[in-house]
Amino acid sequence: QKEVEQDPGPLSVPEGAIVSLNCTYSNSAFQYFMWYRQYSRKGPELLMYTYSSGNKEDGRFTAQVDKSSKYISLFIRDSQPSDSATYLCAMSRTGGFKTIFGAGTRLFVKA
Amino acid sequence: NAGVTQTPKFQVLKTGQSMTLQCAQDMNHNSMYWYRQDPGMGLRLIYYSASEGTTDKGEVPNGYNVSRLNKREFSLRLESAAPSQTSVYFCASSLSDSMGETQYFGPGTRLLVL
Repeated sequence: QKEVEQDPGPLSVPEGAIVSLNCTYSNSAFQYFMWYRQYSRKGPELLMYTYSSGNKEDGRFTAQVDKSSKYISLFIRDSQPSDSATYLCAMSRTGGFKTIFGAGTRLFVKA
Repeated sequence: NAGVTQTPKFQVLKTGQSMTLQCAQDMNHNSMYWYRQDPGMGLRLIYYSASEGTTDKGEVPNGYNVSRLNKREFSLRLESAAPSQTSVYFCASSLSDSMGETQYFGPGTRLLVL
């Protein structure tokens, strides 16, 4: 079993929709939870960053962490065609190589 | 600032050939990483360098070697390429390798091994 599971999609939504992207994990040692966005043929870039449980909001984006369920989510409100990209969850812990990435979910927002 | 740069952008190799992927960062970061990205597998760490002068194996190090040439540069070498090494390779850097540090990625190198 992978430490971090993420549905690869693709997920296709109309412009203006609310998008929910999710990851589950198995290792309770993870303490930092991140979402990276990767446009086609580009490197990933950090989008959101959360420490421990709770919510964090940044504009149209909300990151949510539920450590009791080992489940994290990224919500995108009023989705735009420019949000079309692959979204990778990532989690960080102490010890060893510390950041583990999910496989990424491909999102298409249709105009 | 260019951030993280990688060369080449694209490469085709024949099985058994060798090559070196180059990576440089201009953000004065201490830690650098090499990942490969394959469909359905996400980013997998090949090797990393927590600081200048140190390197450590990641999740999938077999068939690769690395050199931390100086604080700015971290190269990845394939001594005898195999078709299984066909992938997109990303270099990344971070201020340190502490838990939760943001990693900054280069644009990637697409490698095809025939």
